Formats: sequence, C-alpha cells, structure tokens
Amino acid sequence: GAGVSQSPRYKVAKRGQDVALRCDPISGHVSLFWYQQALGQGPEFLTYFQNEAQLDKSGLPSDRFFAERPEGSVSTLKIQRTQQEDSAVYLCASSPFPGQGSSGANVLTFGAGSRLTVL
Amino acid sequence: KQEVTQIPAALSVPEGENLVLNCSFTDSAIYNLQWFRQDPGKGLTSLLLIQSSQREQTSGRLNASLDKSSGRSTLYIAASQPGDSATYLCAVGPPRLRNAGNMLTFGGGTRLMVKP
Repeated sequence: GAGVSQSPRYKVAKRGQDVALRCDPISGHVSLFWYQQALGQGPEFLTYFQNEAQLDKSGLPSDRFFAERPEGSVSTLKIQRTQQEDSAVYLCASSPFPGQGSSGANVLTFGAGSRLTVL
Repeated sequence: KQEVTQIPAALSVPEGENLVLNCSFTDSAIYNLQWFRQDPGKGLTSLLLIQSSQREQTSGRLNASLDKSSGRSTLYIAASQPGDSATYLCAVGPPRLRNAGNMLTFGGGTRLMVKP
C-alpha cells in the first residue's frame, strides 16, 4: 500500500480483556517497529522486526505483551489481560532498510496509530 | 539509559515569527538524531535527519543543528505559519551496529501553536 496502515484505529477494552492490534507496513519494507505513546508523552520503543525475525523486544513492558510478524509483512501486537496503564496510542513504523541502511540514512514511515483505552 | 528532553513543552507564537525548539540528550554516543512532526490523531512525519557526523540539515524553512559533544539539538523554524501548528518530537538513535539505527528514544515533544 501507499502507507503504513493500522487497525483498529480506536479500541475500547474492559480491564482483563485481550486485544490484538494489526499493522500493515509498506509493501517490501524489511524493518518494522512498534512504539507505545502515552497521552502527552513521546513514543517509547517496544519491539523491532527484521522480516519475520524479532530482533529486539526489550521495550515490551511485561509478558502480557506479545508481537509477531510470521510472514515478514503484517504484524500483530497482542496484549493479554489488559490493564488501565496499557491505555495509549500504539504506533507502527516500517523502513525499507534492515536497520542501518548502507547510507546510514533510515527513513521511518509511521502509521496513524491504534488508540487503546482500557476501562 | 538515554534520556531526551525537549524545552519548551508548549509554545504559542504569532504568525511570521522565527522560533527555536530545543532538544537535549544525556548520552552523546548516538547514531543519528531526527525531528518529527505529529498532528493530532495522526502518525509521525519525519522532518529532518542528522547523522552523528553531521552538524546540521536544512529543508525549506526548517533547519536542525546537532552538537553531539554537548548533547543538544535545535530546530529552527523561519517565518512560522498557522499550518506549522503541531507537536514536534526529537528522537535519537543508538550507536549499536546490529540493525539498531531506528530504535529511537524520543523526547516528550513541544506543542507549537502559531496564531494567525
């Protein structure tokens, strides 16, 4: 597609529910990133994929968070047993380069995000 | 752990004014520094990217500078317009070699309002 597409755009969940957030990166993009942005704050890194390999998940806040990209394209971020502190916008971004490109100039394209509200 | 701070948190200026947004980071060992723009309900748009070996980048009315040794960057916006109203985010990339150039640490952003 022309850009990074995320769905759903808005999700309201009751505390304890499981949610799944989807990211469709730009076709052919090798790298895919998930970030979490709390209200009024900057995004925080969650996890990074190069093709289907999850190379870094150091930013995932707890073992309730799980991300996958099984075929190296679409990615899903799953949050189990949601808590109120999980309320945030979840941003997905993709890049055509495997991390540090040959020119060193990485251009990330961000999706519009999925806004999760946990009641 | 890298920490990125942006000052001011919010700024309101009349149209036509030149302005400077500030960004500071605690660890000078960075791969690059990027400035993004975020409009309400939308994703981030990359404005300028400065490699660690560079001192500044320019795009139209925007100029970003980088002083690694002091851990500072500034975004200069010339002749501001109401359409520039948005949140501006500064982000630094770590120096690790293994595919980490885009694992960014963001500042909290500066919310800019340009009044007609």
